Amino acid sequence: EAGVAQSPRYKIIEKRQSVAFWCNPISGHATLYWYQQILGQGPKLLIQFQNNGVVDDSQLPKDRFSAERLKGVDSTLKIQPAKLEDSAVYLCASSQMGRIQETQYFGPGTRLLVL
Amino acid sequence: QQQVKQSPQSLIVQKGGISIINCAYENTAFDYFPWYQQFPGKGPALLIAIRPDVSEKKEGRFTISFNKSAKQFSLHIMDSQPGDSATYFCAANSGAGSYQLTFGKGTKLSVIP
Repeated sequence: EAGVAQSPRYKIIEKRQSVAFWCNPISGHATLYWYQQILGQGPKLLIQFQNNGVVDDSQLPKDRFSAERLKGVDSTLKIQPAKLEDSAVYLCASSQMGRIQETQYFGPGTRLLVL
Repeated sequence: QQQVKQSPQSLIVQKGGISIINCAYENTAFDYFPWYQQFPGKGPALLIAIRPDVSEKKEGRFTISFNKSAKQFSLHIMDSQPGDSATYFCAANSGAGSYQLTFGKGTKLSVIP
């Protein structure tokens, strides 16, 4: 089965610009996650979707980050305006139903550099 | 209380040796503990996982040991190979009623020939 797809793979922007990342989860997976992974740290959950509804966005900096999952399939994560500290890898993951003990499958990530 | 503390930060092991990575947590509500393996330029991939009602789980060369009373768990890689060189993350399910992972900071393992 095809894995989680993300694009672009790399992005370089200047601070205060906006940027968007796209994710297509594994077919049939109801649960989609966006994580932020800063260099040298583990992934940090930003937002969790179940189908097209938000389960948890408590760690999403809502003044500058937004995410949507229209039609319950692919998702976009946007940053506007970007700050230097947003430089990180943005990982998308999906799981079948979002139940404990399911495997979360990760995409390759989008590496963002904010100058 | 939501943290998972992982050590060491980096580890160098000779080929054929045993690699040991340790994690500790505080929140007793954590109820599922996976380990993920990440190669450069790739996303993390599930390696092995354990529930807190089990003290040990083994899959091939990989073993998780779990000490519920000490709130600690560890990953052992037996007969370590150069292909095992990667960053390893422990994690815990921190979602109350849902499935959300809190990750440790990672251990960069280098297996030298």
